[in-house]
Amino acid sequence: KAGVTQTPRYLIKTRGQQVTLSCSPISGHRSVSWYQQTPGQGLQFLFEYFSETQRNKGNFPGRFSGRQFSNSRSEMNVSTLELGDSALYLCASSRDPSPDTEAFFGQGTRLTVV
Amino acid sequence: GESVGLHLPTLSVQEGDNSIINCAYSNSASDYFIWYKQESGKGPQFIIDIRSNMDKRQGQRVTVLLNKTVKHLSLQIAATQPGDSAVYFCAEGRSSNTGKLIFGQGTTLQVKP
Repeated sequence: KAGVTQTPRYLIKTRGQQVTLSCSPISGHRSVSWYQQTPGQGLQFLFEYFSETQRNKGNFPGRFSGRQFSNSRSEMNVSTLELGDSALYLCASSRDPSPDTEAFFGQGTRLTVV
Repeated sequence: GESVGLHLPTLSVQEGDNSIINCAYSNSASDYFIWYKQESGKGPQFIIDIRSNMDKRQGQRVTVLLNKTVKHLSLQIAATQPGDSAVYFCAEGRSSNTGKLIFGQGTTLQVKP
């Protein structure tokens, strides 16, 4: 069975631009969470979606947003990019939003802001 | 505040030896803990988990120990192999905080042949 698919794998953007990242969860998984990974801050929770609803949100500015579609695929958007947004963005899917349900991570999208 | 921290940034062990990776957490409300392994260029991969009503859980070559009194979590890897070389993260979750995991900074495990 296919794993979590994130596209694109790599992205280079300039400051001020906006970007949209995509995540296709494992078939049958309805919960999708997003994380930002940087060398300095480690893995930080961005938000979590279940049944097209955002159920939880981390401490990130409003420039970071997301959504989930009826087929459980999710996108996250970052507007007005800053250099500090350069990071690996990881998506994790699970059958339900309970934290004790195993989450499977994708390979991530490496975003570089120049 | 909430934090999950690891005691050592890098651990170097000889192939065949046992490895112990430690983690400290500060939120006593956390009731679920997970260890992840992340290899270069890949996303984190689930290794083993433990609920707060347990103090030990064993998997294949791995054991997780939870000490709620001192808010300490450890991952023991038996007979460490070169393929175990990776960054290991502990993470905590709360049943009341759906979907959100708080990760530690990670420990790099280097296995010397």
